[in-house]
Amino acid sequence: AQSVTQPDIHITVSEGASLELRCNYSYGATPYLFWYVQSPGQGLQLLLKYFSGDTLVQGIKGFEAEFKRSQSSFNLRKPSVHWSDAAEYFCAVGAGYSTLTFGKGTMLLVSP
Amino acid sequence: ETGVTQTPRHLVMGMTNKKSLKCEQHLGHNAMYWYKQSAKKPLELMFVYSLEERVENNSVPSRFSPECPNSSHLFLHLHTLQPEDSALYLCASSQGQNTGELFFGEGSRLTVL
Repeated sequence: AQSVTQPDIHITVSEGASLELRCNYSYGATPYLFWYVQSPGQGLQLLLKYFSGDTLVQGIKGFEAEFKRSQSSFNLRKPSVHWSDAAEYFCAVGAGYSTLTFGKGTMLLVSP
Repeated sequence: ETGVTQTPRHLVMGMTNKKSLKCEQHLGHNAMYWYKQSAKKPLELMFVYSLEERVENNSVPSRFSPECPNSSHLFLHLHTLQPEDSALYLCASSQGQNTGELFFGEGSRLTVL
């Protein structure tokens, strides 16, 4: 069975500092991998996705993620965090949206 | 109008009530989904409709009844719910089931008393 682990429930980062959110997955085949963001009172918005090819993928809002098959990881990064990035971030794995499995999420807090 | 609209945004109901959640997408997509989001738990896929036919039902209790009258509208009919059903219910749509991006609505916050 596929699963997603986001080991950090909360992360606090100073504005302007770099960010890395961790995601580890378990999947029997080559996975499709996604990062979504949810701002308070909002639905989820896709930040980026990996299907195949280049293991470093660029997304919206200056985010990127790197697929590392050997580590079963798909960590999300941003070089300089802005206060508007405070939100909850969800990693997901699947091979089609009907089988998408989400992690429990990481809440990002941005301090001034 | 926003891409995926959900109404109502907030709903409080008793265990004997019958209510419905509505979702409408203005993106021309052909697949629609209901997800349940509870505190401290991962998003749970409840139902998937593709081309107006239900293609997935993840062991959801019968007190939740979906309806998809056309490709733009999706309903979730609720009756005799339990307090543990209190959650945020998210609707999403996509163009195609396997390769498209999921577009989510803002959710309907349900409280069952």
